[in-house]
Amino acid sequence: DAGVIQSPRHEVTEMGQEVTLRCKPISGHDYLFWYRQTMMRGLELLIYFNNNVPIDDSGMPEDRFSAKMPNASFSTLKIQPSEPRDSAVYFCASSSGLPAYEQYFGPGTRLTVT
Amino acid sequence: AQSVTQLDSHVSVSEGTPVLLRCNYSSSYSPSLFWYVQHPNKGLQLLLKYTSAATLVKGINGFEAEFKKSETSFHLTKPSAHMSDAAEYFCVVSPAGYALNFGKGTSLLVTP
Repeated sequence: DAGVIQSPRHEVTEMGQEVTLRCKPISGHDYLFWYRQTMMRGLELLIYFNNNVPIDDSGMPEDRFSAKMPNASFSTLKIQPSEPRDSAVYFCASSSGLPAYEQYFGPGTRLTVT
Repeated sequence: AQSVTQLDSHVSVSEGTPVLLRCNYSSSYSPSLFWYVQHPNKGLQLLLKYTSAATLVKGINGFEAEFKKSETSFHLTKPSAHMSDAAEYFCVVSPAGYALNFGKGTSLLVTP
């Protein structure tokens, strides 16, 4: 199994631009999670899906952030417009829900907004 | 709400000596607890997990952790550190709903 796949691995963009991060979960996993990691705030859960349906988006910072999961093998996290404070590493993780909520993480996307 | 507190932000050990990374949890009922490791510029990897079975949990790479309800602790240990153990370690609790709450992390430095 290739594991969770994220693209791009690195993204540098200018403030105000739209950014789209992509994630392919492990085949057969029905939970998908988006996390953000910064030095100041550590790892934060942004949103998670179950069977392609958003379950909890209370961690999404503001309306500039949106996430979709059009099918079981693909999810996007979009930031529009981007701001310098969005600079972080964004992780996608997937899980089958069993055993015991074990989540498998992708390598992350390092986003830099200048 | 369930949360974890990692008591040390940095730990430094010599190669071949024991490792102890401390974690306390806060929970109103028996939680699911995990330790994840993150090597530089890598994603997170599950080391081990506790899910109300045996209180001493063995994980990968020689790590283990003991769930102590009386102390609300879930400390991570390894008898002998290796250079490749240098990484960031996260103690994690899982509240209801499949989400994970991460601790702030402990950076482990292993010196020759």
